[in-house]
Amino acid sequence: DAKTTQPPSMDCAEGRAANLPCNHSTISGNEYVYWYRQIHSQGPQYIIHGLKNNETNEMASLIITEDRKSSTLILPHATLRDTAVYYCIVRLTQGGSEKLVFGKGTKLTVNP
Amino acid sequence: GAGVSQSPRYKVAKRGQDVALRCDPISGHVSLFWYQQALGQGPEFLTYFQNEAQLDKSGLPSDRFFAERPEGSVSTLKIQRTQQEDSAVYLCASSLGGFFYGYTFGSGTRLTVV
Repeated sequence: DAKTTQPPSMDCAEGRAANLPCNHSTISGNEYVYWYRQIHSQGPQYIIHGLKNNETNEMASLIITEDRKSSTLILPHATLRDTAVYYCIVRLTQGGSEKLVFGKGTKLTVNP
Repeated sequence: GAGVSQSPRYKVAKRGQDVALRCDPISGHVSLFWYQQALGQGPEFLTYFQNEAQLDKSGLPSDRFFAERPEGSVSTLKIQRTQQEDSAVYLCASSLGGFFYGYTFGSGTRLTVV
């Protein structure tokens, strides 16, 4: 019951901005969008999350459209170490429970 | 500790064997989650604890899977009579709780059933 759609793969040149799109057209009003990334054989690493306002931290920026149907994760200056699978995730809360619903993610390759 | 710790890192089990996977969450984290990640797939939710209470076990694939967190800290995921389709990476995550905080994942336990 993944609620997000992402391109399966993207490439980016080292030093350039990486813009990773995500479609979440069925998102509900109180569901947050989270971004995680996963490097081979490690657990997912938290990047950023938001509800409806754009967010920025030391790792990335998150741009959410006004209708909340899509968002973009921006890595401002990609490095080789940013090569990973990036997951756009909806956080579901229902009946006292909460969970992150992962999709298949985008495999980002940063090239020298 | 500084992060979520899972043990063992790797586990090979013969089909039919019982296994127990351990998760040490970050101290003070109220919420604890277990996820299963098959090769090439995103993690899939198994179960959720708030302190010692298991509030959601809807993702457990069968009654062979059992999770507990008796004192609201360390959690154990037990799989009885393992089958080959149980082969996956089992991830644990913890959080302070609420929408303001992110979830911290451990490195996982890779279970291979032979």
